[in-house]
Amino acid sequence: QKEVEQNSGPLSVPEGAIASLNCTYSDRGSQSFFWYRQYSGKSPELIMSIYSNGDKEDGRFTAQLNKASQYVSLLIRDSQPSDSATYLCAPYLGGYQKVTFGIGTKLQVIP
Amino acid sequence: DGGITQSPKYLFRKEGQNVTLSCEQNLNHDAMYWYRQDPGQGLRLIYYSQIVNDFQKGDIAEGYSVSREKKESFPLTVTSAQKNPTAFYLCASSMKDLLLTDTQYFGPGTRLTVL
Repeated sequence: QKEVEQNSGPLSVPEGAIASLNCTYSDRGSQSFFWYRQYSGKSPELIMSIYSNGDKEDGRFTAQLNKASQYVSLLIRDSQPSDSATYLCAPYLGGYQKVTFGIGTKLQVIP
Repeated sequence: DGGITQSPKYLFRKEGQNVTLSCEQNLNHDAMYWYRQDPGQGLRLIYYSQIVNDFQKGDIAEGYSVSREKKESFPLTVTSAQKNPTAFYLCASSMKDLLLTDTQYFGPGTRLTVL
């Protein structure tokens, strides 16, 4: 079983819709979860982090974490063409453990 | 202007040559990392360093070497022993917050092509 699983996509949504990006992870010890956005040919940029079960909102972005189900998701409301990118999920075990990155889900927002 | 810089942006190497990729940060971060990204694959950790003069192998260290003589700098050498070095190389740095969480921030990357 892969440590981090994401559907590589592409996930296509119309402009203005909600995009839902999902990630499952295998290590129950994961304490923190990061979502990075990566535009084609560019480096990843951090958009959200979440540590506790439940929802965390930041502007149009909402991260949802369910540690019992080992599931973390990212919702993007009012999707814009500029949101078209690959979104990387990254669980973190904490302490001096390394972060593990998923393969990423490619999102396409159709105008 | 704080951040992480990588140079060069593009690098071409002939087979059998060693090349060194530069990574510098002025964020005062303790930890630095090197990743490799291939098309359709996730980020794979090459080396990381938690403190000056100390570094550890990541998942794919063979054919690579690093040094950490200064807090700000973490150069990566791609040696001729690396059989398939063509990839996008990303440097990152982090500092633990009060929750001891490492949030990594990435440089712009170096795209290496072997001719």
